[in-house]
Amino acid sequence: GQNIDQPTEMTATEGAIVQINCTYQTSGFNGLFWYQQHAGEAPTFLSYNVLDGLEEKGRFSSFLSRSKGYSYLLLKELQMKDSASYLCAVRTEGAGSYQLTFGKGTKLSVIP
Amino acid sequence: NAGVTQTPKFRVLKTGQSMTLLCAQDMNHEYMYWYRQDPGMGLRLIHYSVGEGTTAKGEVPDGYNVSRLKKQNFLLGLESAAPSQTSVYFCASNSHPGDRAHLWEQYFGPGTRLTVT
Repeated sequence: GQNIDQPTEMTATEGAIVQINCTYQTSGFNGLFWYQQHAGEAPTFLSYNVLDGLEEKGRFSSFLSRSKGYSYLLLKELQMKDSASYLCAVRTEGAGSYQLTFGKGTKLSVIP
Repeated sequence: NAGVTQTPKFRVLKTGQSMTLLCAQDMNHEYMYWYRQDPGMGLRLIHYSVGEGTTAKGEVPDGYNVSRLKKQNFLLGLESAAPSQTSVYFCASNSHPGDRAHLWEQYFGPGTRLTVT
């Protein structure tokens, strides 16, 4: 089966840096996604890692270590609009198709 | 492009009633999915489809049926609604892996908020 863990809640200060961790145990690993979801809205894509290392995209970066089953999302220069839930999702292959298995999400609150 | 749309946006059902949720996408995507999202549970896959005329079960398929008669539409049916099916339902879609091999992003609809009393 699949098991994805991430902290339930985090709080950080505007302008600061925050790191959201995600650990996973899956079979048929084919990449890891991070999604952002504002309250009452749909998830939107942030980043994707399939190889080990860091992927940078503006203020957001995502890291993957496949051997450790570990990823993190790094948010720099936090803004109030970054208050949202951040979903870690692992892509797996099975029965000839690909699926995403999501963690329960980390609710980030950015305070002034 | 409208992307992924869902109807209705909100619905209240009584136990035992039936309904169909409609998902439509105009991106010519092969793959479509239905998820439910509950507090503290995250997104869980109900059913998915890898192409027109095909469907498959996800993690929590019981109590739901689906159909993909047209490539652009994916319907989720509840034959006899139960309070445990109170949730927010999201539809998502993506292209075949071969089209964007290095990036397999799912696009989500705005969600349907269903309450079963």
